[in-house]
Amino acid sequence: DTGVSQNPRHKITKRGQNVTFRCDPISEHNRLYWYRQTLGQGPEFLTYFQNEAQLEKSRLLSDRFSAERPKGSFSTLEIQRTEQGDSAMYLCASKVSGGASYNEQFFGPGTRLTVL
Amino acid sequence: AQSVTQPDIHITVSEGASLELRCNYSYGATPYLFWYVQSPGQGLQLLLKYLSGDTLVQGIKGFEAEFKRSQSSFNLRKPSVHWSDAAEYFCAVALTNTGNQFYFGTGTSLTVIP
Repeated sequence: DTGVSQNPRHKITKRGQNVTFRCDPISEHNRLYWYRQTLGQGPEFLTYFQNEAQLEKSRLLSDRFSAERPKGSFSTLEIQRTEQGDSAMYLCASKVSGGASYNEQFFGPGTRLTVL
Repeated sequence: AQSVTQPDIHITVSEGASLELRCNYSYGATPYLFWYVQSPGQGLQLLLKYLSGDTLVQGIKGFEAEFKRSQSSFNLRKPSVHWSDAAEYFCAVALTNTGNQFYFGTGTSLTVIP
C-alpha cells in the first residue's frame, strides 16, 4: 500500500485555462474527499464520493469545478476557466469502507495550483 | 455558527521544552476530535483522535490531547519537543450527526529552536 497519491504535485497555469487533478486513494477505501487549502488556512471541504457516487458538495464548489470518480477508484477534479483566486493546495483524502465519521481520513500530499 | 478555533497562529519553543497547542470548537453536540500534523511537502498525518470515553488520549510521536467538555477544548500536548516536531498542526472535528467531512482549524505553525 502506497497511501493516497495525487498528480501532478504542482501546476502553474494562466488565468482562463482549464486544469485537471487526479487522486488515487488507498485501494480498499470507498470514500474519497476533496479539500482546498489556501495559505494560512486549514483545509476546507469541497466534495466527497462514496464509490462512484458524489454525495455532497460544498457551496465552495462553484460551477467551474467538477469532480468525478467514474469507476469508484481514482478521482479527478477539474477547474474550468481558472481564476487567480483558485490558487491553492488541493488535497485528496480517503477513508475505509463504512465511512463512519470517526474513521481516520488518509490524506495525499496535495496538488499545488498557481494561477498567473 | 459552527467553528474550530486555533488561537495561536505561530508558536516557537526550545528543543526539550514542553508544548501545548490550543483548540476550541463551537458545535451543538460533542463532535469527534482529531489532531493532524502537516510537514512541508507532505500530506496531513493523524496524530490522535477522541471519539468517546477517556478524555485523555495518547497519540503517535509522544503527543497526547485532553478533551474538556466544559471548555469545548481539545488541546494538544507534548512533554519534550524534538526538532523534528517543527510543522503545521491542525485540529479537526467530525460531526456526529453527519459524519462525513472534517472541519479544520486554521492551524498552528510550530518552530523548534535548538
